[in-house]
Amino acid sequence: DAGVIQSPRHEVTEMGQEVTLRCKPISGHDYLFWYRQTMMRGLELLIYFNNNVPIDDSGMPEDRFSAKMPNASFSTLKIQPSEPRDSAVYFCASSPGTSGALTDTQYFGPGTRLTVL
Amino acid sequence: AQSVAQPEDQVNVAEGNPLTVKCTYSVSGNPYLFWYVQYPNRGLQFLLKYITGDNLVKGSYGFEAEFNKSQTSFHLKKPSALVSDSALYFCAVRDRAGGFKTIFGAGTRLFVKA
Repeated sequence: DAGVIQSPRHEVTEMGQEVTLRCKPISGHDYLFWYRQTMMRGLELLIYFNNNVPIDDSGMPEDRFSAKMPNASFSTLKIQPSEPRDSAVYFCASSPGTSGALTDTQYFGPGTRLTVL
Repeated sequence: AQSVAQPEDQVNVAEGNPLTVKCTYSVSGNPYLFWYVQYPNRGLQFLLKYITGDNLVKGSYGFEAEFNKSQTSFHLKKPSALVSDSALYFCAVRDRAGGFKTIFGAGTRLFVKA
């Protein structure tokens, strides 16, 4: 199994530009999560999906952030327009969604390091 | 509100010595508790979790953690540290009534010296 795949691994952009981060979860996993990691705020849950449906987006910081999951094998996190304070490492994670779903562990991708100049 | 505290930014230990990484939590109900490890430029990897039952949980790479309800703690331990254990460790809590919202601690950097 290839694990959770994220692209790009590194993104450098200028303030005001649109940024799109991509994630391919592990095949068969029903849950997908987007996290942001910064030195100041640690690891924060932004949004999660169950069977492609957004369940909780309360962690999305602003309207500039949006996430979609058009199918079970692909999700995007978009920032438009980007700002320097969005600089962080963004992780995607997936989990199986078995009968004890709340006890499932999460499998993290390698992350996308975003730098907004 | 849920919260997790990892009181130590860094833990230093000599190879072969036991290690402890501390974690305390606060949730309104009964918790699910997790430990993850992060190596440089990598995503988090699952180590172990407490769901119910035996308070001592054994996980990957020889790590274990003890759930203490009265002290609301879930400290990570290993009897004999390896240099390769050097990494960033995260404690996380999920309230059973709170859905999938998982709160992560700030992380503790473990440095094992040869």
